Amino acid sequence: DVQLTQSPSFLSASIGDRVTITCRASQIISSYLAWYQQKPGEAPKLLIYAASTLQSGVPSRFSGSGSGTAFTLTISSLQPEDFATYYCQQLNFYPFTFGPGTKVDIK
Amino acid sequence: QVQLVQSGPEVQKPGASVKISCKTSGYSFTSDYVHWVRQAPGQGLEWMGIIDPKTGRTSYKERFQNRVNMTRDTSTSTVYMEVSSLKSDDTARYFCARDSRLSMVRGVHYPKFDFWGQGTLVTVSS
Repeated sequence: DVQLTQSPSFLSASIGDRVTITCRASQIISSYLAWYQQKPGEAPKLLIYAASTLQSGVPSRFSGSGSGTAFTLTISSLQPEDFATYYCQQLNFYPFTFGPGTKVDIK
Repeated sequence: QVQLVQSGPEVQKPGASVKISCKTSGYSFTSDYVHWVRQAPGQGLEWMGIIDPKTGRTSYKERFQNRVNMTRDTSTSTVYMEVSSLKSDDTARYFCARDSRLSMVRGVHYPKFDFWGQGTLVTVSS
């Protein structure tokens, strides 16, 4: 199975901060990577797919980059509604796998 | 609008089975795939498998191969997942998610879970 690691696992930030989360895959997955945001008690919400394509309706402060084995999710200016847990997911090989998550909390 | 609505919470004893439903609407049921993902309390997300509603073809994560069965009913646009031989560590919230077959970027299909059900909490306890 493709293993995904995320760093950091926890991040404390302030409103307006630029936030970057890294996801690394144990093997090359091309651009078959998605990012999701999940708030407590809710289903995950798709933010980015194909590594860098913004899902319709998602604010432009979210962006994704990378290919191969190294990927990043960037929030250009953190907003109050962005405090949540973020997961990366590879969709190149079955079984599809998720990273362990990065929790973004208020400083 | 696209919606996936799941059945309600379940409490089951160890060794029992549970069948969860995921009723879809707002799109052509046979056009897109449906995946199942679970999340144990306070834990991350785990992909369980996929069903193609058009053909009924499935693919499961290996560790669920003998305990999970995904089916569909095209007359009601509903997907089902049955998990058998339940154990306490199957206690989790189970989500269904749509994967658009037409998700294309620069002419290449990229899967994405763009719409999710609200989740079904399954508690396994004696």
